[in-house]
Amino acid sequence: GNSVTQMEGPVTLSEEAFLTINCTYTATGYPSLFWYVQYPGEGLQLLLKATKADDKGSNKGFEATYRKETTSFHLEKGSVQVSDSAVYFCALYAGGTSYGKLTFGQGTILTVHP
Amino acid sequence: NAGVTQTPKFRVLKTGQSMTLLCAQDMNHEYMYWYRQDPGMGLRLIHYSVGEGTTAKGEVPDGYNVSRLKKQNFLLGLESAAPSQTSVYFCASTYSGGRTLNEQFFGPGTRLTVL
Repeated sequence: GNSVTQMEGPVTLSEEAFLTINCTYTATGYPSLFWYVQYPGEGLQLLLKATKADDKGSNKGFEATYRKETTSFHLEKGSVQVSDSAVYFCALYAGGTSYGKLTFGQGTILTVHP
Repeated sequence: NAGVTQTPKFRVLKTGQSMTLLCAQDMNHEYMYWYRQDPGMGLRLIHYSVGEGTTAKGEVPDGYNVSRLKKQNFLLGLESAAPSQTSVYFCASTYSGGRTLNEQFFGPGTRLTVL
């Protein structure tokens, strides 16, 4: 079956540090890949996505590249801010008869200190 | 547009009590989903619906029932609550799936505690 594995958290960084959150996946075919962010007390919201190999998704200074050869979709940001403190979820959509269903990783808690 | 809304935001139940969580969306989406979020477990799909009058089981359906009588509403029921159902529940919706998916839109969540 399909699965998503994220790096263990929590991750604690100082402001302006470089961020990487690793995400690898297992899926048949050509899934679409997503990063969702959940700010404290809120629901999830889409951060970025990529729908085919070598696509780069980007938003709010975050980037992730769809690497089919390593089955990865690592999230990066060059300089984090305190306001980036949140839980980050990697997810995949297998397409076909998946009825829009997403498979989520376990989430990574990010805390950024001033 | 309100997007996806959930009612209630918080609830405390005693073991054996029943309740219904309401999800409503105003985006005319076909597909709707109920997830539960537990620490270290990510989001797990409970039930989903691909259209009015249809429902299907997800990954963790036991102890829950759902109904989709109107396209904009998706109800999640707990007939006899158990402490293991203490969790944060999220509803989401999207346009029809296909080869690619735009995104799922999430509600703000319902925090349920079962004593």
